[in-house]
Amino acid sequence: SQKIEQNSEALNIQEGKTATLTCNYTNYSPAYLQWYRQDPGRGPVFLLLIRENEKEKRKERLKVTFDTTLKQSLFHITASQPADSATYLCALDDGYGGSQGNLIFGKGTKLSVKP
Amino acid sequence: KAGVTQTPRYLIKTRGQQVTLSCSPISGHRSVSWYQQTPGQGLQFLFEYFSETQRNKGNFPGRFSGRQFSNSRSEMNVSTLELGDSALYLCASSSEPSEAYNEQFFGPGTRLTVL
Repeated sequence: SQKIEQNSEALNIQEGKTATLTCNYTNYSPAYLQWYRQDPGRGPVFLLLIRENEKEKRKERLKVTFDTTLKQSLFHITASQPADSATYLCALDDGYGGSQGNLIFGKGTKLSVKP
Repeated sequence: KAGVTQTPRYLIKTRGQQVTLSCSPISGHRSVSWYQQTPGQGLQFLFEYFSETQRNKGNFPGRFSGRQFSNSRSEMNVSTLELGDSALYLCASSSEPSEAYNEQFFGPGTRLTVL
């Protein structure tokens, strides 16, 4: 069956360091992968989308990679700040793409950045 | 531009009752998707409506239903509530039919507690 795993439920790092979050998937061939941020008591907020033919995408301090051979995406936050503390979710299309693609979400990684 | 709004924000019901949740998408958005979020299962897709038609449905029992009105507002209904239905229910809107390459804009969610 299709499965998405975000490797850590929680990740604690020191301010200024780079946070690296992992999203692994099995039994999928997604054409797209998205990353969202969710703060407590709020809905997820879209951060980045990467396509299967893109190796890397950047937005300010954020960087996402997508390795379809390893079936893995890495999400990096450089120069992390306490305000980056949140739960980060990866989401894939279910492999059908096109007009009936559903977004399948991982369970998320809770990032805590300590001052 | 106002974001996605959901009402009510909190709801307490007892087993066997039914509940109706409401979602107003961002102005101009015609697609509304519903998700259930629990600590154990994460974010799971319920269904999507576009132009008053259900486009897609997740793997939930028939007790979960929804509809969309001509002004794009959407409601979801859960009948014969079970304890396991306790969750955060999120709705998300997008301007076009929800595809894996479209950003989804989430509301703050409705926290449903079933006693």
